[in-house]
Amino acid sequence: GAGVSQTPSNKVTEKGKYVELRCDPISGHTALYWYRQSLGQGPEFLIYFQGTGAADDSGLPNDRFFAVRPEGSVSTLKIQRTERGDSAVYLCASSPERGRYNEQFFGPGTRLTVL
Amino acid sequence: GENVEQHPSTLSVQEGDSAVIKCTYSDSASNYFPWYKQELGKGPQLIIDIRSNVGEKKDQRIAVTLNKTAKHFSLHITETQPEDSAVYFCAASRVGTSYDKVIFGPGTSLSVIP
Repeated sequence: GAGVSQTPSNKVTEKGKYVELRCDPISGHTALYWYRQSLGQGPEFLIYFQGTGAADDSGLPNDRFFAVRPEGSVSTLKIQRTERGDSAVYLCASSPERGRYNEQFFGPGTRLTVL
Repeated sequence: GENVEQHPSTLSVQEGDSAVIKCTYSDSASNYFPWYKQELGKGPQLIIDIRSNVGEKKDQRIAVTLNKTAKHFSLHITETQPEDSAVYFCAASRVGTSYDKVIFGPGTSLSVIP
């Protein structure tokens, strides 16, 4: 079966622009996570969805970052007024449900470059 | 806040030798410790995990050990092969609580020299 997919694989934008990053989780997985990975670092938690609702958004760095999952499947991470410091690989992961020892399945990531 | 440290940051071994990566965590309530392998251009992939009620777990050439008292856990890869070359991340979380986000270490870049 298909794994987690993310589009686009690469995104180059200019400072101040708005970007949307898409995540298609594994079918049937109710839990969805977004992480940010800077060069040479481990993934850093941004936000978690259980179904359609954002159950934990404590990792979002500021109010320029927002994510939605309107139908409990596909999720979109939205970044407004991008800054050069937002450049990183944005990873999405899904798992069958939260609260158990479930493996998180990661997508390949979207590499965002802000010029 | 919670923190996971990982050493070494880079590791180079000869094919066939063993590799050991060590991690420490700060949150004493952590009860789940997964290890992920990340190859270039791909997302991390779970290779093994251990729960806090177990001291050691083995899966073929890979083993993990956990010392809850010292808040240390380690990954051991025996008989290394070139395809083991990748970045390895340890992680810690509190499963079963409302605060169960996964905290990753900074990673270890492993190179296995043929």
